[in-house]
Amino acid sequence: DAGITQSPRHKVTETGTPVTLRCHQTENHRYMYWYRQDPGHGLRLIHYSYGVKDTDKGEVSDGYSVSRSKTEDFLLTLESATSSQTSVYFCAIRKTGANTGELFFGEGSRLTVL
Amino acid sequence: QQQVKQSPQSLIVQKGGISIINCAYENTAFDYFPWYQQFPGKGPALLIAIRPDVSEKKEGRFTISFNKSAKQFSLHIMDSQPGDSATYFCAASTTGNQFYFGTGTSLTVIP
Repeated sequence: DAGITQSPRHKVTETGTPVTLRCHQTENHRYMYWYRQDPGHGLRLIHYSYGVKDTDKGEVSDGYSVSRSKTEDFLLTLESATSSQTSVYFCAIRKTGANTGELFFGEGSRLTVL
Repeated sequence: QQQVKQSPQSLIVQKGGISIINCAYENTAFDYFPWYQQFPGKGPALLIAIRPDVSEKKEGRFTISFNKSAKQFSLHIMDSQPGDSATYFCAASTTGNQFYFGTGTSLTVIP
């Protein structure tokens, strides 16, 4: 257990509304990631963070923004949700040290945009 | 453009058989190749990983074979069990921060 909590776990919203997903970690790891998972596409990186207030874009960042004001929290915001953003969103952390390449994932947040 | 190409999309194997999933990449800067296992409703979990300085890594019934010149790597599951039924993702990353995942393989092991 890597101490990752995602909230909400399920959300249904309407097109055009803002949505924020939260990822909380308890182990103070520097690197945090947001992925989306869609059939036929696998896991695609949206944004990642390498420290407080340090973030960068991934391969599918359009329509998403992130913030990291504290080490333990990484927020993903959809400013105006669209149906194409219906997906399962996973937060991940990367532990540094001996196994520097290992990602630990949260349980996922299923978002449906109607 | 998919950085890591994975096949097959789905795989059905009899209990006790060998499951083989293949991945290919183009970026020679990749230096870490993990495989993740995901059960329904759960997040992916690291299964086994390899770095390009070795051609094979084995952990129990799971083996990664790595061919650096062909830029391919594969996961072999020996003596496949129904409990191995899951979705498997290969991935690749550089020493930096980005991980690129394959599109996943849904494995079903029939009792």
